[in-house]
Amino acid sequence: GDSVTQMEGPVTLSEEAFLTINCTYTATGYPSLFWYVQYPGEGLQLLLKATKADDKGSNKGFEATYRKETTSFHLEKGSVQVSDSAVYFCALSEYGGSNYKLTFGKGTLLTVNP
Amino acid sequence: EAQVTQNPRYLITVTGKKLTVTCSQNMNHEYMSWYRQDPGLGLRQIYYSMNVEVTDKGDVPEGYKVSRKEKRNFPLILESPSPNQTSLYFCASTKRQGADTGELFFGEGSRLTVL
Repeated sequence: GDSVTQMEGPVTLSEEAFLTINCTYTATGYPSLFWYVQYPGEGLQLLLKATKADDKGSNKGFEATYRKETTSFHLEKGSVQVSDSAVYFCALSEYGGSNYKLTFGKGTLLTVNP
Repeated sequence: EAQVTQNPRYLITVTGKKLTVTCSQNMNHEYMSWYRQDPGLGLRQIYYSMNVEVTDKGDVPEGYKVSRKEKRNFPLILESPSPNQTSLYFCASTKRQGADTGELFFGEGSRLTVL
């Protein structure tokens, strides 16, 4: 079945450092790919998405490019802020006829120190 | 404000005492789903509903029931809770069916502890 593997955390960075969180996937078809973010005590929010190969999703300074050849969707940000501290989930979706399901990675906790 | 509302947000209960976690969305979404989040396991789908009166099992449905009598509501029922159902539960919804942008809108979560 479909699966998502993302780098284990936690990740601790200083403010203004460069961030990369790796994500690779296994899917039988042509999934859409997503990054969701979960701030402390809150539900998940969509951060960015890409629906086909070579698409780049971007939002709030974060970027990720859909790489079909390497089945990857790595999250990057050039300069992190303390407010970026959260759990980040990589996910894919494939519409399976009767279910519109997201398959999530296990999440990566990011802590940014001032 | 567009939102998915879950209640209760926190609940401590005992084994075998039936409970219901409610979920309501005000976005006229057809699709709704329940996930549970556990450390080291990420989020796993419990049940989903494509529309009113249409529900089906996700990946981890054992011990849960759902109903979809109205479009806006999708309650999760634990008929006889057990300690292994201690978890953080999320309800989510989205409007479109079929392959599209895939943005799920999540509630804030319900933290359930079964003693």
